[in-house]
Amino acid sequence: NAGVTQTPKFQVLKTGQSMTLQCAQDMNHNSMYWYRQDPGMGLRLIYYSASEGTTDKGEVPNGYNVSRLNKREFSLRLESAAPSQTSVYFCASGGTAISNQPQHFGDGTRLSIL
Amino acid sequence: QKEVEQNSGPLSVPEGAIASLNCTYSDRGSQSFFWYRQYSGKSPELIMFIYSNGDKEDGRFTAQLNKASQYVSLLIRDSQPSDSATYLCAPLNTGFQKLVFGTGTRLLVSP
Repeated sequence: NAGVTQTPKFQVLKTGQSMTLQCAQDMNHNSMYWYRQDPGMGLRLIYYSASEGTTDKGEVPNGYNVSRLNKREFSLRLESAAPSQTSVYFCASGGTAISNQPQHFGDGTRLSIL
Repeated sequence: QKEVEQNSGPLSVPEGAIASLNCTYSDRGSQSFFWYRQYSGKSPELIMFIYSNGDKEDGRFTAQLNKASQYVSLLIRDSQPSDSATYLCAPLNTGFQKLVFGTGTRLLVSP
């Protein structure tokens, strides 16, 4: 039972490079989320998708784009990476208000931008 | 005012004691509340959720909710060194279908 799978687990980029973080869930959840976690800042929501075909901005969307490719997959793209985007990125699924589903997290992607 | 406030700690308790972790939230629309545990370098994992006023017990964990006071807490009985982690409080706002996380309280349980 894989749950939420994120790739890659680690990545080092140079300023200005682009990359896409991948996330897939096998729990048939409608909602998916991207967070970043920085020391002392807690988890901050970047973007979320309440259902297939919809995406919405979270607390810190600047510099990121997302794609909800299908019900299982939700990707996060950095078009022009900046050192301020060095962080640990978590994908999560679940957590609809109607069902009180909890969110389940992937193992995270540790991203460093030089 | 932060949406979710937690004492960052560390909260230090001896093995076998009760650890009490507190959380206040500002959004009165919040209906459900989740507690996550996060070990250093790992992802958050759900340990409890509560959506009715009062207490909810699950093994050594008890979640307490008081919506009038906008306060939620987590008690850990018979604390073990393996409970040493950061505990994140996360209210779910019904209108926005998303969790808002506190910065977490770091718990240290000493043998």
